Amino acid sequence: EIVLTQSPGTLSLSPGERATLSCRASQSVSSTYFAWYQQKPGQAPRLLIYGASSRATGTPDRFSGSGSGTDFTLTISRLEPEDFAVYYCQQYGSSPGYTFGQGTKLEIK
Amino acid sequence: EVQLVESGGGWVQPGRSLRLSCTASGFTFGDYAMSWFRQAPGKGLEWVGFIRRKPYGGTTEYAASVKGRFTISRDDSRSIAYLQMNSLKTEDTAVYYCTRDGSTMVRVAPVWWGQGTLVTVSS
Repeated sequence: EIVLTQSPGTLSLSPGERATLSCRASQSVSSTYFAWYQQKPGQAPRLLIYGASSRATGTPDRFSGSGSGTDFTLTISRLEPEDFAVYYCQQYGSSPGYTFGQGTKLEIK
Repeated sequence: EVQLVESGGGWVQPGRSLRLSCTASGFTFGDYAMSWFRQAPGKGLEWVGFIRRKPYGGTTEYAASVKGRFTISRDDSRSIAYLQMNSLKTEDTAVYYCTRDGSTMVRVAPVWWGQGTLVTVSS
């Protein structure tokens, strides 16, 4: 089973700053089957990025995804107040299903 | 608009059973695979299992943590997916989400999620 490890666990930044979130896989993952989700308290996860770098419908262009193999990154270019949330990476290329990282909490500094 | 509504959650004692439902609207239910995910209180996301479309056999896959105890089924005529949970354990306590998956055998990252239903397993 592929294990995804996200870093940092918590990221404290101010609005307007740039955020860089990392996700490392225990073995190579196809970029085609890699995604990022945002989750706010009391809400279901929201798909932000799929295919490692494609923005889902409605995802602002300040969000970008990159990476390949075992190292993937989610970058938020300029943080808006509504961006403070928990972010999860996900892979869905290896059988049988989906695996997630443990999450990165992005909090206001 | 795509909508997924989970129901059937609640409190149950360890060892007992519970069935969750996911009622879909806004799309042709039979054209899509469906998944279940869960999230324990204060914890991360975990995939539970999924069910393929009937043209692909309507077969199911499960996470190791629930295999043999949980069963996913679907009623395309009623646009409902079910999660039958047997031999429940305290560690099954979580919010359970259903999602709409892809329409082919190619895996997709779920876009559409329900609001979730809380299952509490406790004596």
